[in-house]
Amino acid sequence: KAGVTQTPRYLIKTRGQQVTLSCSPISGHRSVSWYQQTPGQGLQFLFEYFSETQRNKGNFPGRFSGRQFSNSRSEMNVSTLELGDSALYLCASSTGAGNTIYFGEGSWLTVV
Amino acid sequence: EDQVTQSPEALRLQEGESSSLNCSYTVSGLRGLFWYRQDPGKGPEFLFTLYSAGEEKEKERLKATLTKKESFLHITAPKPEDSATYLCAVQALGGGSNYKLTFGKGTLLTVNP
Repeated sequence: KAGVTQTPRYLIKTRGQQVTLSCSPISGHRSVSWYQQTPGQGLQFLFEYFSETQRNKGNFPGRFSGRQFSNSRSEMNVSTLELGDSALYLCASSTGAGNTIYFGEGSWLTVV
Repeated sequence: EDQVTQSPEALRLQEGESSSLNCSYTVSGLRGLFWYRQDPGKGPEFLFTLYSAGEEKEKERLKATLTKKESFLHITAPKPEDSATYLCAVQALGGGSNYKLTFGKGTLLTVNP
């Protein structure tokens, strides 16, 4: 059974640009969440979607946004990139609250 | 606000030397406590979910236990391939908290041959 798939794996962007990251959840999983991982802050929750609805959002500025499509695939977007946005962005999926949450390999974003 | 504290930050063991990692948590109501393993440059790999105090789960050389305030990950006779960062996370009950994990900073385990 295929795991959570994230694309692209690596990307380099210039400050001020925007970026879109993509996530395909495990088949049958309707909950998709996103996390940012940095050496200093660890893993921090960005937002969670279920059936195309955002159910929870973390403490990140409005430059961070996401959406989920009818096939459960999800994208997150970061606009007006800052150097501090350099991080590993992780997507996770599950069937619902309390159930196992599986992570993808992540997208490494470097902002220069 | 939910909080998770892991200790120690780093642990170095000799192969075969058993030890435990600690995860202390504060949460209004616990839906589940999750343990993950993360290798460098990779996403977290699921290990266990614990739901109530007194629960224990085992997988190979790993055993996770849960009390009302903390969880332990016991590593018995570790091997070099157990070297990784071990992450603990809680999922709270109620509203939007149902759908997010609050993570600790992790414990970096190194097992020397």
